[in-house]
Amino acid sequence: EPEVTQTPSHQVTQMGQEVILRCVPISNHLYFYWYRQILGQKVEFLVSFYNNEISEKSEIFDDQFSVERPDGSNFTLKIRSTKLEDSAMYFCASGRGTPMREPPYNEQFFGPGTRLTVL
Amino acid sequence: KQEVTQIPAALSVPEGENLVLNCSFTDSAIYNLQWFRQDPGKGLTSLLLIQSSQREQTSGRLNASLDKSSGRSTLYIAASQPGDSATYLCAVRPDNYGQNFVFGPGTRLSVLP
Repeated sequence: EPEVTQTPSHQVTQMGQEVILRCVPISNHLYFYWYRQILGQKVEFLVSFYNNEISEKSEIFDDQFSVERPDGSNFTLKIRSTKLEDSAMYFCASGRGTPMREPPYNEQFFGPGTRLTVL
Repeated sequence: KQEVTQIPAALSVPEGENLVLNCSFTDSAIYNLQWFRQDPGKGLTSLLLIQSSQREQTSGRLNASLDKSSGRSTLYIAASQPGDSATYLCAVRPDNYGQNFVFGPGTRLSVLP
């Protein structure tokens, strides 16, 4: 069964460094998302991406964050200058979706996550 | 702003019991609701998706119901097994253009052999 994959599984970086988290969504999906989960807290939405542009972003997704779909398969999240509080598990998700949001294609499928540790 | 809560925060039951996990949301204007399972240190596994027009969905030993007007969903697990031990998350998608989820804090379930 197709699944969302993410690399690396664990990334350790120094404060102020740039990191790129990578995701390969399910191949026929059109909608892509990033979420994060700080240890012991709720999963929080960061950004959604459709048709090569951001469709929605949360207040967490500030100028330090950017997303890109550099080719037909990868979806990346870049954090330009990491802070200690960026330490979290980052989840990528994808969904088939349709522009009219018709069911049953709007289920989201999550990857295993990348644990980011900022020292 | 949509808020999602889950009760109880943790639950421990003996194997074989039927159990109910609860999810409440403050704004009934939702597009759908999805239940997930999260194993420690792992990603989220989708269990059931209920559209706003639906009352329930079933998959194997799992049954999820939705009462949109009262802002509630329940996840019923029949004949629980130790392998069901995990954290169960519910997430609602507000009925607006964005397709982002608002997650609850989860219920941590332990099924004892």
